Amino acid sequence: KAGVTQTPRYLIKTRGQQVTLSCSPISGHRSVSWYQQTPGQGLQFLFEYFSETQRNKGNFPGRFSGRQFSNSRSEMNVSTLELGDSALYLCASSLAGTAVIAEAFFGQGTRLTVV
Amino acid sequence: GQSLEQPSEVTAVEGAIVQINCTYQTSGFYGLSWYQQHDGGAPTFLSYNALDGLEETGRFSSFLSRSDSYGYLLLQELQMKDSASYFCAVMGSGYALNFGKGTSLLVTP
Repeated sequence: KAGVTQTPRYLIKTRGQQVTLSCSPISGHRSVSWYQQTPGQGLQFLFEYFSETQRNKGNFPGRFSGRQFSNSRSEMNVSTLELGDSALYLCASSLAGTAVIAEAFFGQGTRLTVV
Repeated sequence: GQSLEQPSEVTAVEGAIVQINCTYQTSGFYGLSWYQQHDGGAPTFLSYNALDGLEETGRFSSFLSRSDSYGYLLLQELQMKDSASYFCAVMGSGYALNFGKGTSLLVTP
């Protein structure tokens, strides 16, 4: 079966612009999480959605937002881009219907460069 | 809050055994996971420990001590293809995997 698909793979934006990233989870997976990965910082949790509801949010400014649709596809939006937002944005899906997510499946990520 | 500590870099010789440690502080704990990420690739799941003890999956094993808030990933019979970054991740309170900053493993001939 198809894996987690993230689009676009690469993106270059200018400071002050906004961007929308998309994630299609594995079929049947209802939980989608987003992570920001930068060199030296590892993966930092942005937010998690399950059945269109945000269940948890990481420590990021309000410029970072997301949503999940009824088909479990998810989008994240970053407004008023800053240079420091340049990173690899990873989406992960899992079957989780409870708090225990033993195995998450990651997409290849969207590499965002802000200039 | 939650924090995870793991070494930033480890170097080992092909065929050897290497252990990557992870200590964590978390509010609420369900389990410790390990992920592998090659340069330019997506993180992939390796193992999960919810209870104390050792879990073995082929050349990889993972250990957890909940009382010590400590775990490790053991890689045996190292191969060149094992050169990658390895992340420990904790499922604590809330619906999120919280990751360490990763350990870059270099396997040399």
